[in-house]
Amino acid sequence: GESVGLHLPTLSVQEGDNSIINCAYSNSASDYFIWYKQESGKGPQFIIDIRSNMDKRQGQRVTVLLNKTVKHLSLQIAATQPGDSAVYFCADSGGGADGLTFGKGTHLIIQP
Amino acid sequence: DAGITQSPRHKVTETGTPVTLRCHQTENHRYMYWYRQDPGHGLRLIHYSYGVKDTDKGEVSDGYSVSRSKTEDFLLTLESATSSQTSVYFCASNRDGTDTQYFGPGTRLTVL
Repeated sequence: GESVGLHLPTLSVQEGDNSIINCAYSNSASDYFIWYKQESGKGPQFIIDIRSNMDKRQGQRVTVLLNKTVKHLSLQIAATQPGDSAVYFCADSGGGADGLTFGKGTHLIIQP
Repeated sequence: DAGITQSPRHKVTETGTPVTLRCHQTENHRYMYWYRQDPGHGLRLIHYSYGVKDTDKGEVSDGYSVSRSKTEDFLLTLESATSSQTSVYFCASNRDGTDTQYFGPGTRLTVL
């Protein structure tokens, strides 16, 4: 089946800089996209989501951008902090009962 | 986050023994999921449930069975554990009409 993938497995940024994590998807029927944060030893934690009828959505320090033309999703984290160190997953859904399809994740490392 | 708990949190067992993992949610969510997480593979769906006694297979269901006799509980059983089932197992749930899944803390299973 089609799957969601990530461009880079590891991203290193300076504390205080903005972080951008990218994701490509291939399922043209996907209409819901979500980002999770997973800290070491914990379960994935919901960050932000977006539906296909939107191209941008903002939360607290996070923004998700959706480009349906090129099937691309990105997560922007403003003013990155040490607590942002984690693995970030994107996932998508076409609305089926089997739910979400996950990418492999990007490890965000914060340099002091 | 939904009130999702998993038990046990850690388990070591021997090849050939049966193992049951429990997921419990207090949010009255209709949908529940079992995933395994392995390095290089991300989160892969094992089984899911769309209601009491209604379950279906996911991507990696071989060697696993599930049961859901109550809305709040979703059990994952390894009938005869193998070393390839050593993994971290996550349960998730979402309510009807939404796609946002909330995850439990995970169970680390080691099969010797």
